[in-house]
Amino acid sequence: AQSVTQLGSHVSVSEGALVLLRCNYSSSVPPYLFWYVQYPNQGLQLLLKYTSAATLVKGINGFEAEFKKSETSFHLTKPSAHMSDAAEYFCAVSDDTGFQKLVFGTGTRLLVSP
Amino acid sequence: GAGVSQTPSNKVTEKGKYVELRCDPISGHTALYWYRQSLGQGPEFLIYFQGTGAADDSGLPNDRFFAVRPEGSVSTLKIQRTERGDSAVYLCASSLARRGTGELFFGEGSRLTVL
Repeated sequence: AQSVTQLGSHVSVSEGALVLLRCNYSSSVPPYLFWYVQYPNQGLQLLLKYTSAATLVKGINGFEAEFKKSETSFHLTKPSAHMSDAAEYFCAVSDDTGFQKLVFGTGTRLLVSP
Repeated sequence: GAGVSQTPSNKVTEKGKYVELRCDPISGHTALYWYRQSLGQGPEFLIYFQGTGAADDSGLPNDRFFAVRPEGSVSTLKIQRTERGDSAVYLCASSLARRGTGELFFGEGSRLTVL
């Protein structure tokens, strides 16, 4: 079975600082990997996805993630945090059967201070 | 509607009662998913519909949980004899793609509290 591990349930940064949210995956087959964001009182929204094309994936709102097979990682980054980035971020991997049955990590709450 | 709509947004019930949670997907989306998110956890897959049929219900925790999608649009998640451990946010998502690269669009969830 596939799984993801998100290191750090909370990450705090100052506005303008680099954002780094960590995700490591476990998979016996080439994975499809996703980052979702959940803003307060809103549904989960897809930030970006890796589907075995380019290893550096660019998403919405200036976020990007790099697939590193040697490290089994798919960390999410953003060069400069905005107050509006404060949210909960979930890393997910597809199950062996395809994209439908996503396996999510436990989430990382990003706090941005002025 | 423009997005996935879930009702009720909040439901408080007593242990042993029956509960129905409704999901209205984005118009035209053939695939519909239910997930459950417990406190401090990520969403956990429950069931996936392609059209009217349940293509994968392997995530349903036991036979107290059942879901239907009789006309291939609105879906209802039904929980019988609720237990305190069923308390969670139940998320619904829909997508266009039958399989593969389709993005899942999530609703805001139905928060169930079992007293």
